[in-house]
Amino acid sequence: RKEVEQDPGPFNVPEGATVAFNCTYSNSASQSFFWYRQDCRKEPKLLMSVYSSGNEDGRFTAQLNRASQYISLLIRDSKLSDSATYLCVASRGGSNYKLTFGKGTLLTVNP
Amino acid sequence: DTGVSQNPRHKITKRGQNVTFRCDPISEHNRLYWYRQTLGQGPEFLTYFQNEAQLEKSRLLSDRFSAERPKGSFSTLEIQRTEQGDSAMYLCASSLVEGGAKNIQYFGAGTRLSVL
Repeated sequence: RKEVEQDPGPFNVPEGATVAFNCTYSNSASQSFFWYRQDCRKEPKLLMSVYSSGNEDGRFTAQLNRASQYISLLIRDSKLSDSATYLCVASRGGSNYKLTFGKGTLLTVNP
Repeated sequence: DTGVSQNPRHKITKRGQNVTFRCDPISEHNRLYWYRQTLGQGPEFLTYFQNEAQLEKSRLLSDRFSAERPKGSFSTLEIQRTEQGDSAMYLCASSLVEGGAKNIQYFGAGTRLSVL
């Protein structure tokens, strides 16, 4: 079983739609969580960190449920420029900072 | 540009050859990481450095792979006797870990290796 598992996708949605990505992690020692965005043949870029209280950044909302070991990302009012692969990431933090990535979910927003 | 810089961007080599990649992190960052990404997968951790000390190596890093960060600044990743299975994007990232600072890793554009 992969340490971080994501919805396999791909997701194809029209502009303006709301789309949700789900992710689970298996290592209960994971302390820090992130969503990274990766455009085709580019490097991953941090979209947002995920906190237990949930956090929002404009049209993006991330949630973390430690009891269920579940992370989500919601994109509201999707734009064409949101088309990318979204990577769910966990880290054990502390003295061990390596990132464990999910496989990624491809989102295509259509006009 | 003050981001993470990787060279070369692309490398094509024949099986059995040795290759070396370079990563220049963001200047004040004390941690440097190497990841490998194959098509359709997320990046996989290979190794990381705190300053010049290599603190962890993944089991993915076979004996043919070696990474160094001799002065705690740039790093090199060498693959000896390349195999076709080594074909991938090699990503470098850096971060500043200091006290309570969050571990935000910033990635370079990667070196795409093709082994023929």
